[in-house]
Amino acid sequence: DTAVSQTPKYLVTQMGNDKSIKCEQNLGHDTMYWYKQDSKKFLKIMFSYNNKELIINETVPNRFSPKSPDKAHLNLHINSLELGDSAVYFCASSHSGQGFTGELFFGEGSRLTVL
Amino acid sequence: GQSLEQPSEVTAVEGAIVQINCTYQTSGFYGLSWYQQHDGGAPTFLSYNALDGLEETGRFSSFLSRSDSYGYLLLQELQMKDSASYFCAVTANQAGTALIFGKGTTLSVSS
Repeated sequence: DTAVSQTPKYLVTQMGNDKSIKCEQNLGHDTMYWYKQDSKKFLKIMFSYNNKELIINETVPNRFSPKSPDKAHLNLHINSLELGDSAVYFCASSHSGQGFTGELFFGEGSRLTVL
Repeated sequence: GQSLEQPSEVTAVEGAIVQINCTYQTSGFYGLSWYQQHDGGAPTFLSYNALDGLEETGRFSSFLSRSDSYGYLLLQELQMKDSASYFCAVTANQAGTALIFGKGTTLSVSS
């Protein structure tokens, strides 16, 4: 069983469209994240959720809207896609608080290409 | 603001030892992690230092000096499969719900 799974793995779409990426973890973690990795490999934190509550929202355009229906899921919806949104989006999960060991478990990534 | 600095590229030969440095300036600091990422893959966890000192895990060791805002990853007995990007990451809050990554160091190992 995959620990952190994201779908879809690849997304090719036109500018102006709306798309969603789904993420699920079966590790029993209480914190989930979205990171964006651009062509220069910079891993930028976008959001983190702890027990379904938004903790981090790092200067991300409000076209990006995360939704956490429960602790095991964190989805990312992107409206009005722009060329600069092309990147690999990684979902990750971890324990928090005293259970945190510095380790995030990453999904395989979703490669978004906006044409 | 938050900044983590690490060299962009390092090259070495098989069997050598390489040290990848990371200096950080963040609003909060609770620990330093290291991750490895092969091309086309996901980042995978290597080590974590919350306290000063050296942590050893097989061929890889990681060091932290909180007073110097500095850490490093030491890779020994390099193998071709160690060619990858290496990221340092700061845990920026006590809850461990904010991991800020450096820009990564690309390590190329040649025979």
